[in-house]
Amino acid sequence: EVQVLESGGGLVQPGGSLRLSCAASGFTFSSYAMSWVRQAPGKGLEWVSGISGSGGSTYYADSVKGRFTISRDNSKNTLYLQMNSLRAEDTAVYYCAKDRNPSTSWYYFNYWGQGTLVTVSS
Amino acid sequence: DIQMTQSPSSLSASVGDRVTITCQATQDISNYLNWYQQKPGKAPKLLIYGASSLETGVPSRFSGSGSGTDFTFTISSLQPEDIATYYCQHYNNLPRTFGGGTKVEIK
Repeated sequence: EVQVLESGGGLVQPGGSLRLSCAASGFTFSSYAMSWVRQAPGKGLEWVSGISGSGGSTYYADSVKGRFTISRDNSKNTLYLQMNSLRAEDTAVYYCAKDRNPSTSWYYFNYWGQGTLVTVSS
Repeated sequence: DIQMTQSPSSLSASVGDRVTITCQATQDISNYLNWYQQKPGKAPKLLIYGASSLETGVPSRFSGSGSGTDFTFTISSLQPEDIATYYCQHYNNLPRTFGGGTKVEIK
């Protein structure tokens, strides 16, 4: 059974840092691109960042470019999102999402975690 | 960036009704369009990919159509468990973007 499980969310002050993790199981992790998608309270979905299966290709939304870093450890079946210089507008539930097909990059996401809440506030 | 505009933003319909949601892209995205369902407090769920392909295990009352800039998502007979917010998402180029969502309620 495919599972993706996020962790690492919490309350952080503006300008602070946080690292999110997403533990994956039930599939060949290294064969699939992964993404982080966030949802601010009461708002819609925003694709934040994506990484290829090998980790060699990454993408960032303009809203987080230069502040967030996506990475993966295929030996540990884990996806990460390092978030620095956090702002109030980064407050959201952050979802880890798996591409449906191997060897595609961020086409459509067939498994999502339950989400982890990041709150940026003083 | 490609903007995705969904309409309506919300709707209320009776059980058994046919429900239609539209999604318009600001440029031609061929058929690179997906639909997700999100129930309150839950993660989104992929329903339709490639504009019209039904994801495995998704009931056949859900369907999608369209190409280019105009797309339609249909629930042929609304069921109580379909209460949710529905989002379209393109994958024509980067960044992937989502529509603003359509909240579906029971009348």
